[in-house]
Amino acid sequence: QQQVKQSPQSLIVQKGGISIINCAYENTAFDYFPWYQQFPGKGPALLIAIRPDVSEKKEGRFTISFNKSAKQFSLHIMDSQPGDSATYFCAAINNFGNEKLTFGTGTRLTIIP
Amino acid sequence: GAVVSQHPSRVICKSGTSVKIECRSLDFQATTMFWYRQFPKKSLMLMATSNEGSKATYEQGVEKDKFLINHASLTLSTLTVTSAHPEDSSFYICSARSGLGNQPQHFGDGTRLSIL
Repeated sequence: QQQVKQSPQSLIVQKGGISIINCAYENTAFDYFPWYQQFPGKGPALLIAIRPDVSEKKEGRFTISFNKSAKQFSLHIMDSQPGDSATYFCAAINNFGNEKLTFGTGTRLTIIP
Repeated sequence: GAVVSQHPSRVICKSGTSVKIECRSLDFQATTMFWYRQFPKKSLMLMATSNEGSKATYEQGVEKDKFLINHASLTLSTLTVTSAHPEDSSFYICSARSGLGNQPQHFGDGTRLSIL
């Protein structure tokens, strides 16, 4: 019940295209859903996050779409750039429960020219 | 803001050596710090959670005598890998969070540990 399933495992998108990464969860107690971006040899960096009381959050080229009834959320990267090439992790946390982040398995995104 | 510094970034040492990794929150007080281990091309695996001034809480399967965690101040936590062996080689990452659970975790840049 603590799992967060993430897909696809890897993704290749042409420069300027839209990159879409999907995640699904089971635990309805999760109440905060962050996305992290990780470059090789570096720690994850918080990219954008959403709470379940909203269906969408946009920050620049990055948008989270959240479907509470389906227990799914996704990251959309608009106008994808080579500099976006990294591994992306979705995560979920029950902020007033055990307060541990549950990570997805990661998506390796490659943006080709 | 919310910078977490981890040191060293890379360490190579002989089998049997003990290695200490430091995690510092530079511009905020971290009431809770987390230690993760990451294998190549894998997700982060939580090893332990530490609250300032308390003993760390270890995840199932993590040897607390092997991985000693100290969180003596609101800005510093350390992970000591005792009597390290080649199978302990990995990427270790810390994160820190201030205040209550509804604050995000901020991650350090990790430590690449290689045991020869």
